[in-house]
Amino acid sequence: KAGVTQTPRYLIKTRGQQVTLSCSPISGHRSVSWYQQTPGQGLQFLFEYFSETQRNKGNFPGRFSGRQFSNSRSEMNVSTLELGDSALYLCASSSRLAGGPETQYFGPGTRLLVL
Amino acid sequence: GENVEQHPSTLSVQEGDSAVIKCTYSDSASNYFPWYKQELGKRPQLIIDIRSNVGEKKDQRIAVTLNKTAKHFSLHITETQPEDSAVYFCAASNPGNQFYFGTGTSLTVIP
Repeated sequence: KAGVTQTPRYLIKTRGQQVTLSCSPISGHRSVSWYQQTPGQGLQFLFEYFSETQRNKGNFPGRFSGRQFSNSRSEMNVSTLELGDSALYLCASSSRLAGGPETQYFGPGTRLLVL
Repeated sequence: GENVEQHPSTLSVQEGDSAVIKCTYSDSASNYFPWYKQELGKRPQLIIDIRSNVGEKKDQRIAVTLNKTAKHFSLHITETQPEDSAVYFCAASNPGNQFYFGTGTSLTVIP
């Protein structure tokens, strides 16, 4: 099976702009979670989508939003970018078949630089 | 919410020695504890995981132990090799599939 893919891999934006990142999960996986990774903070949970519904949300401002499509692909949007949004954004997919926590497989990430 | 603490933040060992990384968690409802290895510029890769109904799990040179009472779990790597050098993350997940990660341990294996 193909792994989790993310596009684009690199992005440079300026403050105030918005950005949309895309994640395609492993075939058959219906859960997609998004994380922000920064050197000092590790992996911070943003949100999880399962069957097109947001199931969990981390402690990020409303500028961070997402959605999931019927084919399980997910997008994450950040509006009004700030310098502190510069980070590696990772998505992870899992099957969620059993209903409880299951192994998450990560994509390669999108590295966002805000100038 | 859940709080996962990971120690140490950096660890250097001689090749062939053992390495131990420890994590604590706060939410007694957490029931799944994976460990990820992230090499420089690459995605995190699952190396081992354990569920709350098991106390220990081994996979060749890697083992994880879980103490539910004390709410801590540890990663043990024996006979370390230079290719074990990476950043290791622990995580805890509740039944709702929400994962909380530790801040990572940078492991360096000195040849």
